[in-house]
Amino acid sequence: DAKTTQPTSMDCAEGRAANLPCNHSTISGNEYVYWYRQIHSQGPQYIIHGLKNNETNEMASLIITEDRKSSTLILPHATLRDTTVYYCIVRGTSGTYKYIFGTGTRLKVLA
Amino acid sequence: GAVVSQHPSRVICKSGTSVKIECRSLDFQATTMFWYRQFPKKSLMLMATSNEGSKATYEQGVEKDKFLINHASLTLSTLTVTSAHPEDSSFYICSAGRESEDTQYFGPGTRLTVL
Repeated sequence: DAKTTQPTSMDCAEGRAANLPCNHSTISGNEYVYWYRQIHSQGPQYIIHGLKNNETNEMASLIITEDRKSSTLILPHATLRDTTVYYCIVRGTSGTYKYIFGTGTRLKVLA
Repeated sequence: GAVVSQHPSRVICKSGTSVKIECRSLDFQATTMFWYRQFPKKSLMLMATSNEGSKATYEQGVEKDKFLINHASLTLSTLTVTSAHPEDSSFYICSAGRESEDTQYFGPGTRLTVL
């Protein structure tokens, strides 16, 4: 079973920050949190990942709570092209790096 | 990021035939690759872990005799759907990761339609 839970869907106004939450209360100390998004009929695209510190790259920021039981993906200035499904994943069994996908959040950016 | 390709991108076959899907890591070597399937409007479901030079590890409920996986080289894994039936119609996606990284890179997917 997936180790993460996400809201099924969210809306966000174009140009505003999109904040996508993820719960991973059973995360282990050496497990990373990954975020991917999947545009229709394509493979998932890597966005960002982190262990305990907040992370930022050219696409997004990742905020992980101090107890590591939840995290938030932030798209700083959402555009219409960001409308798609976002997956939060906690890396599976150590040594194999397998990902177990949850249901994801369908983000809709509104004009 | 690393590039993973899949071939073919889409395939249509008749019921009872077998279909082979290739997954290649184009600019790195991958001792481990993963195969997923995805039904419409559903999430990705991990099918198996493909290990170079050894047998694949299948997730619970996935028939190893139906979904044959071969990982003969460090850049190629193949998934063969044997005796395909209409219920096998799905989007099949592979992923691979570099030894030095924890990040998985996904292929573009293969859409299989069984008539």
